[in-house]
This record gives sequence, C-alpha cells and structure tokens, in this order.
Amino acid sequence: GAVVSQHPSRVICKSGTSVKIECRSLDFQATTMFWYRQFPKQSLMLMATSNEGSKATYEQGVEKDKFLINHASLTLSTLTVTSAHPEDSSFYICSASQDYGYTFGSGTRLTVV
Amino acid sequence: GNSVTQMEGPVTLSEEAFLTINCTYTATGYPSLFWYVQYPGEGLQLLLKATKADDKGSNKGFEATYRKETTSFHLEKGSVQVSDSAVYFCAAALKTSYDKVIFGPGTSLSVIP
Repeated sequence: GAVVSQHPSRVICKSGTSVKIECRSLDFQATTMFWYRQFPKQSLMLMATSNEGSKATYEQGVEKDKFLINHASLTLSTLTVTSAHPEDSSFYICSASQDYGYTFGSGTRLTVV
Repeated sequence: GNSVTQMEGPVTLSEEAFLTINCTYTATGYPSLFWYVQYPGEGLQLLLKATKADDKGSNKGFEATYRKETTSFHLEKGSVQVSDSAVYFCAAALKTSYDKVIFGPGTSLSVIP
C-alpha cells in the first residue's frame, strides 16, 4: 500500500536554530500534503496544506514565517521550523492524500532545548 | 463550524470486553469518515474508513457504520485484546478546495488482562 516516509523521527535542537522535516511519498505522487502538530495527549491540529508547485495554505493562527513549507516535487514536502523555541517542541506529522484516503507519516518528535 | 466530537477517555476495559467509542461530526455536505489508531510513540495508522452513508468500514475486528441521519461513526469491537491499547481518533475529510482532514480529540483505550 501507499507509504509516507517522514524524517527524522526525532530531533533535538538548540533554541534559535532551524530544523527541517521531510515528508516523502514513496510509491505514489502526492500533489497535496498536510502538516499537523500534536501536543502531548491531545489531538492533531492541521497547520497547513502543502501543494506541489504553489504556496502552502496555512490554517488560522499558524505563522507562515515560522513554519516554512516547501513542496517542490510530487513526492516531497518539507517543513522548516525557523528560529525554534522551546514552545515549538511537539510531535509533527505529515499526511498525503490519494484517491482512496490519507496516509500518515510516522511523525517527528521535535525537542527544542 | 466543522468539527468532530468523540467520547472522552480514558477508557479502561478488561480483555474480551465489548468496545464502543462514540463519534459524531458536524460538517457541510457528506464527508468521508475515518478511524485512526496511534500506538505509544508512533504516528497514525488508518484503521478503517467509510465514504458514504450506510457504508460500514471494518478491519482487525473493528467496525464503524456511517450514519447520515445521526451524523455518527461509532467504533465498535466485540472482544478487545491487550494489544488494542492505543489512542483512537475519529476523523472527517471535508470537501473544500483542498480536502482537509479534521480530527476528534482522541480516546485513549487501555485493555487490561
């Protein structure tokens, strides 16, 4: 079946640095990918919709300059957390849509120290 | 606005007990409905789905039926196992310019031997 690979699975970074998270569709082309954020013991909150070849659509309250999304090809979307702060520590999950549903990556645990 | 509501957890059951996790949605039109499962420290896995009214999704002994009249998609399993311990998320894919998946808050299930 369809597989979405997300990398890295865990990352620890220093406050003020930037972190890039990759999301790849391994055996299908994904014109649309989604980025979610999940706080401990909470649900997933949609951050933005990533569209190949165009600008991402951000949800209300999500800072575009803070969370940079690039979807340069049909199999790769990246989320860059810029100038990370401890409050950005969270679990980030990407998803890709296909005709028969949505497939999620395994998530990235970001810890900013 | 659009939303997905699920019963509050945590839910604790004995092995072989019957499981029901209620889910209702509020959305314009007829969204596709999903149940996802998240095991500790992992991403989301699709458990089952239904794309139209009266459809029944089933997988691994779990079932859920798309009820348009009650806007519900309750998850059931006749006999739970310890390995079913996880967080379960009900989700709806909204028909917007880009299909967006919104999640319920999640229900934590613990099955004890």
